[in-house]
Amino acid sequence: QKEVEQDPGPLSVPEGAIVSLNCTYSNSAFQYFMWYRQYSRKGPELLMYTYSSGNKEDGRFTAQVDKSSKYISLFIRDSQPSDSATYLCAMSQSNTGNQFYFGTGTSLTVIP
Amino acid sequence: GAVVSQHPSWVICKSGTSVKIECRSLDFQATTMFWYRQFPKQSLMLMATSNEGSKATYEQGVEKDKFLINHASLTLSTLTVTSAHPEDSSFYICSARDFLNTGELFFGEGSRLTVL
Repeated sequence: QKEVEQDPGPLSVPEGAIVSLNCTYSNSAFQYFMWYRQYSRKGPELLMYTYSSGNKEDGRFTAQVDKSSKYISLFIRDSQPSDSATYLCAMSQSNTGNQFYFGTGTSLTVIP
Repeated sequence: GAVVSQHPSWVICKSGTSVKIECRSLDFQATTMFWYRQFPKQSLMLMATSNEGSKATYEQGVEKDKFLINHASLTLSTLTVTSAHPEDSSFYICSARDFLNTGELFFGEGSRLTVL
């Protein structure tokens, strides 16, 4: 079983829709969770960084962590065509360690 | 927020030549940087962990002599692809963790290498 599972999609939604992106993981020691957006031929851009369980909101983006279910989500409200990208989740056990575990990425297309 | 800069963003070279890619942390010190390779529509593949002032740690299956890593300062790591061949053509990305502050992991913009 992979450490981190992420549905690769592709996911297609109309403009203005709410998008839900998810990752599941197997290691209960993970404490730090990250979501990245990667446009084609670019490096991943950090969108959200959260510690432990709970929600974090930044503009149209909300990151949610449910440690009891080993499940994290990224919600995008009022999705825009410019949100079309691949979204990667990542996680680690500490904020100082060198080990990161990545999902495979979900490809999202927002249709105008 | 913290920024990691990578250069060049793209490079084309002839088979047999060597290519150097630079990765800089612009506003934080990075004792450790990471180098990845990414094939089209695939996820990141960690190649090596670069440690300031010491040898890099390579992942299994990555040739140390082919992919030379140097981390001479707290803000700069370089990846040199030696004697490049067409199969080395790929997208190379570096990252660095801001250990002293929040622990966020930032990525460079990536470097696309094409070997003719």
